[in-house]
Amino acid sequence: GENVEQHPSTLSVQEGDSAVIKCTYSDSASNYFPWYKQELGKRPQLIIDIRSNVGEKKDQRIAVTLNKTAKHFSLHITETQPEDSAVYFCAASKSGGYNKLIFGAGTRLAVHP
Amino acid sequence: DTAVSQTPKYLVTQMGNDKSIKCEQNLGHDTMYWYKQDSKKFLKIMFSYNNKELIINETVPNRFSPKSPDKAHLNLHINSLELGDSAVYFCASSQEGNTIYFGEGSWLTVV
Repeated sequence: GENVEQHPSTLSVQEGDSAVIKCTYSDSASNYFPWYKQELGKRPQLIIDIRSNVGEKKDQRIAVTLNKTAKHFSLHITETQPEDSAVYFCAASKSGGYNKLIFGAGTRLAVHP
Repeated sequence: DTAVSQTPKYLVTQMGNDKSIKCEQNLGHDTMYWYKQDSKKFLKIMFSYNNKELIINETVPNRFSPKSPDKAHLNLHINSLELGDSAVYFCASSQEGNTIYFGEGSWLTVV
């Protein structure tokens, strides 16, 4: 079945620095790749997603890149702020009906002022 | 208005008890899910229903039984609770392969 690996498990940066989280997926048929942010005690919330017909997508300080050949996708956060501190999850699924999202293990990002 | 709402938010119960968690979504989505998040924060899908029909049933003990009375509701009943069932259970919904929206979570503690 589909497997999603995520690295690093923890990431500590200084405010203003960039943060990069990387994921790899196993099922080449996967074509939908969302990223979720989960703050302590809260629900996972979608922050950005990308589909396999696109190589890069950007939304203000957040960008996601996808390399279908290598089955890699990455989340890039620029100019990090303390409020970016949270656990970030990548996920992958095949569209065509039902989103069986398979999640990575999560990255705990800490942004220090 | 909460898009995906689940109750109760917190539940502490003894081993061997039976408990239910209820979920409702007002987004008009046709697919609903139950995810389990363990103490290490790992999110794993348990079940998915599309228009009241079970479409995803992962390797979950049969003590867990989902029920969908209509496409806006998906409840989770757990029999004979065990210590290892302690986790956060998230209900979620989506429309036709698009974004999945999660509920607030239900914190289950089995003592």
